[in-house]
Amino acid sequence: GENVEQHPSTLSVQEGDSAVIKCTYSDSASNYFPWYKQELGKRPQLIIDIRSNVGEKKDQRIAVTLNKTAKHFSLHITETQPEDSAVYFCAASKAGGGADGLTFGKGTHLIIQP
Amino acid sequence: GAGVSQSPSNKVTEKGKDVELRCDPISGHTALYWYRQSLGQGLEFLIYFQGNSAPDKSGLPSDRFSAERTGGSVSTLTIQRTQQEDSAVYLCASSRTASNTEAFFGQGTRLTVV
Repeated sequence: GENVEQHPSTLSVQEGDSAVIKCTYSDSASNYFPWYKQELGKRPQLIIDIRSNVGEKKDQRIAVTLNKTAKHFSLHITETQPEDSAVYFCAASKAGGGADGLTFGKGTHLIIQP
Repeated sequence: GAGVSQSPSNKVTEKGKDVELRCDPISGHTALYWYRQSLGQGLEFLIYFQGNSAPDKSGLPSDRFSAERTGGSVSTLTIQRTQQEDSAVYLCASSRTASNTEAFFGQGTRLTVV
């Protein structure tokens, strides 16, 4: 099945700085890459996603880039704010779902220092 | 309902007892996922249903774990002879299809085995 690696496991940045979280995937057939944010004690929620027919997508302060050749994708958060502190998960899936459906990375704990 | 619903929200059980966790997905969602999340940890994949069938059950931690889905809707995760290491939050998610669509998470069931 698909294997998704996520780095770093913990990321601490100063408020106002940028944060970058990186993921790699193993299955070249994967074509959908969502990112989820999980605040403390809450359920994961989708913040942005990208499909394999585009290389970059932006939504205000967050952006995701995809390199299909290298099989990696990244989440970029600019002008970080305290409310960005959370655990972020990347994921990958492919048409038909395969055996696992949606495969998640192990998560990145993002800490915004005031 | 408007979202994915899980019950119970909290369950405390004695070691050795059986427990059943329930997930009501969003109506019309064909894909359903079960994950386990220990405190401060990532999302451990357990099983995924496409309709009523699970393509791969190898993610279940042991033969004490089983899951079923009937009528393409409600799913139950059963843990027999619970052990303390089963203590975790069990999250269910559903999506309209198995690929390229957002997965919506339930609030989770916090299981504590004493």
